[in-house]
Order: sequence, then C-alpha cells, then structure tokens
Amino acid sequence: EAGVAQSPRYKIIEKRQSVAFWCNPISGHATLYWYQQILGQGPKLLIQFQNNGVVDDSQLPKDRFSAERLKGVDSTLKIQPAKLEDSAVYLCASSLDMGIGTGELFFGEGSRLTVL
Amino acid sequence: QKEVEQNSGPLSVPEGAIASLNCTYSDRVSQSFFWYRQYSGKSPELIMSIYSNGDKEDGRFTAQLNKASQYVSLLIRDSQPSDSATYLCAVGRDTGRRALTFGSGTRLQVQP
Repeated sequence: EAGVAQSPRYKIIEKRQSVAFWCNPISGHATLYWYQQILGQGPKLLIQFQNNGVVDDSQLPKDRFSAERLKGVDSTLKIQPAKLEDSAVYLCASSLDMGIGTGELFFGEGSRLTVL
Repeated sequence: QKEVEQNSGPLSVPEGAIASLNCTYSDRVSQSFFWYRQYSGKSPELIMSIYSNGDKEDGRFTAQLNKASQYVSLLIRDSQPSDSATYLCAVGRDTGRRALTFGSGTRLQVQP
C-alpha cells in the first residue's frame, strides 16, 4: 500500500515569495490534514479536510495561507507571501474516517520550507 | 497554558533501563490519547493509543492514563539505542473526526 506522498521535499525561497506544497493521501482515506512543525516543536494543525470539505481551519493564517482539496483526493497548500517565521516542515497526514477516530494519522515525509 | 505539555528533555537513560515519558493535558473532555515517535528528520509514527484509565501494554511499551489527573505516560522497558527519538504525546477531544493536538515532544537518548 502506497503511503502519503508529498512534494517537494525541500524548498528555499526569499521572504514575500510564494510556495505551494502538494499532498496525495493514502487511497481511500477520507480525512486529510496539513500540520506545520517548527523546529523543536510539535506538529500544529493548519487545516483538516473531510473529503473535499473543510472541517477545521481555525489555526490557518488565512491572510497568507490557503489550501484546497479538489475532488476529495489530493491537496495543495499555498503560502503567499511567505514570512521568515513560515520556515518549518509542512506535514500532510491522512486517516480513515470510521466514525470513531483511531488516532492513527499516517504522515507523509514532509516538505521542509526555508524562508530567507 | 498549553493544551498538551511535555518536558522537552533530553531524557537520557542507559541501554536496558526503563524510560518514563510524561504528558499532561488541559482539556477535560479529551477522550483519546496517543504516543507518536519521531526520528530526527522523519515524520511521526504511531506507537501506542489509549482510551480508558489504567495501563495498556504492547511489547516493551506501556501507556498509562489517569483522566482525573489529566495525565498520560509512556514507559519503555529494556530501552535500546534505536529508541532514541522524540516522543510526541497527542490528544483527541472526541472519538469522532477532530484532529489531534500534539505536545512539543520529549527527546529520549538511550546511551549504549
């Protein structure tokens, strides 16, 4: 079974530039998450999708971050314009929606962003 | 107050010893609790889940939950150098579709 795919793995940009990250979840997983993990911290939820609908985006800085999950499969996270503090690993995860959460989030390898 | 708190460590233990990792959470309606392991430069992977008070054992790992004290712990018996990683405590508010809240992690170092 293929895991969660993310790209690019690494990205270096100047502040005020834009960047986009792509994620393809495990086949059949209805729920998709984007987490931001700053060095030395735990993952922080940015946005959660259930199929192609947003469940929670309360911590997404909407003035600069946007995300979409068209057709309920793969997803794109965009940052525009980037700030220095956006330097982090962006983790995409997916899980089965079984009605009762098992908590098993399957994470991709992450996309490491460096903003100079 | 952070929703999920962990001591950042590093926690250093000799090979073969028991490592004890602790986590407290602030939301009393939390119902599901998880421990994820994250190796340096890698993504988190689930190692234990616990939903009710008491102990749950899986191989060398034991998770302990005390909802009254809002406390969850992970014991690793016979620690191995390969256990050296950051251990993330994660808490779920309900057993539905809500995303997990993670602590900042405790770095464990197992000395050969």
